[in-house]
Amino acid sequence: QKEVEQNSGPLSVPEGAIASLNCTYSDRGSQSFFWYRQYSGKSPELIMSIYSNGDKEDGRFTAQLNKASQYVSLLIRDSQPSDSATYLCAPCTTSGTYKYIFGTGTRLKVLA
Amino acid sequence: EAQVTQNPRYLITVTGKKLTVTCSQNMNHEYMSWYRQDPGLGLRQIYYSMNVEVTDKGDVPEGYKVSRKEKRNFPLILESPSPNQTSLYFCASSSGLSREYNEQFFGPGTRLTVL
Repeated sequence: QKEVEQNSGPLSVPEGAIASLNCTYSDRGSQSFFWYRQYSGKSPELIMSIYSNGDKEDGRFTAQLNKASQYVSLLIRDSQPSDSATYLCAPCTTSGTYKYIFGTGTRLKVLA
Repeated sequence: EAQVTQNPRYLITVTGKKLTVTCSQNMNHEYMSWYRQDPGLGLRQIYYSMNVEVTDKGDVPEGYKVSRKEKRNFPLILESPSPNQTSLYFCASSSGLSREYNEQFFGPGTRLTVL
């Protein structure tokens, strides 16, 4: 079992729709969870961070965390063609040192 | 502007020729890290540093060295590069202060080709 699992996609959604990206992780010691957006050949850019169970909203983005199910998701409302990118899920464990594990990412395509 | 910088951005070299990729951050961050990214394998951590003079191996440290003599700088050294080290490299930093301030910020990346 991979430490962080994401559907590689591509996930195709029409412009204006809601895109739902999912991630499961295996390390129950993970305490912080990050979503990064990465355009091809560019560096990862932080989109959302979440630390507690429940939802966290920031503009068009909502992160959802369920530690009991070891599941974290990212919703993108009113998807735009500029949202087309690969989205990386990254749980972090902070016991003693910082251990970040990145998923291989989900490729999102927003169709105009 | 708060940022992580890397140099060079692109490098083509030959097997066995020592090289250094520099990384610098201006955010006074404690934690710095190097990753490589390969198609289908995602981001894999090479080395990380919790503070000056404190470094540790990540998941794929073989063939690499690092040093942390100053808080802002974290160079990646390839003493004898081989073609399997051809990759896209990212440096990242985070404050390391607490659980809720440990998001990583990434440099622009260095595309390395070893012939």
